[in-house]
Amino acid sequence: EPEVTQTPSHQVTQMGQEVILRCVPISNHLYFYWYRQILGQKVEFLVSFYNNEISEKSEIFDDQFSVERPDGSNFTLKIRSTKLEDSAMYFCASSPGSGRWQYFGPGTRLTVT
Amino acid sequence: GNSVTQMEGPVTLSEEAFLTINCTYTATGYPSLFWYVQYPGEGLQLLLKATKADDKGSNKGFEATYRKETTSFHLEKGSVQVSDSAVYFCALDNYGQNFVFGPGTRLSVLP
Repeated sequence: EPEVTQTPSHQVTQMGQEVILRCVPISNHLYFYWYRQILGQKVEFLVSFYNNEISEKSEIFDDQFSVERPDGSNFTLKIRSTKLEDSAMYFCASSPGSGRWQYFGPGTRLTVT
Repeated sequence: GNSVTQMEGPVTLSEEAFLTINCTYTATGYPSLFWYVQYPGEGLQLLLKATKADDKGSNKGFEATYRKETTSFHLEKGSVQVSDSAVYFCALDNYGQNFVFGPGTRLSVLP
């Protein structure tokens, strides 16, 4: 069964550094998402992406964040200048169409020191 | 707006005990409902889902029935195992909108 993949599984970075989290959605899917889970807390929506542009974003997704689909397969989340509070598990998801189920990747654990 | 409420944890049970984790939701229309499980140090795994009223999702001995009249999707298992220890998230997907997750319920099963 096709699945969403994410790399790396764990990223450690210093405060102020830029990080790029990578996701490979399921190949025929058209909608892409990023979610965040701070340790021990609920999973929170960050952003959705369709047709090469952001379709919706949450309050968390401020100017420090950006998303990109640089080629036909990858979907990336960039944090420009990381803060300690960005430490979390980041989940990518994809969906074949609007109103269809989202399939989640295994997550990338980001640790900012 | 859409929201999901779950019973607060942690829930601690002995092996072979009966499990219920309550989940209720608020949403317009007819959302799909999900249970996800997160084992220690791992990502989200879809456990089961239901897409319309009275549907029953089931997997690995877990079951949940979509009850529109009570806006609930309670998770049950007849006999839990130590390996079921994890955090369980109830979630909804309200067509065209984004997933909304409950806060999660931590389950600890003791041998």
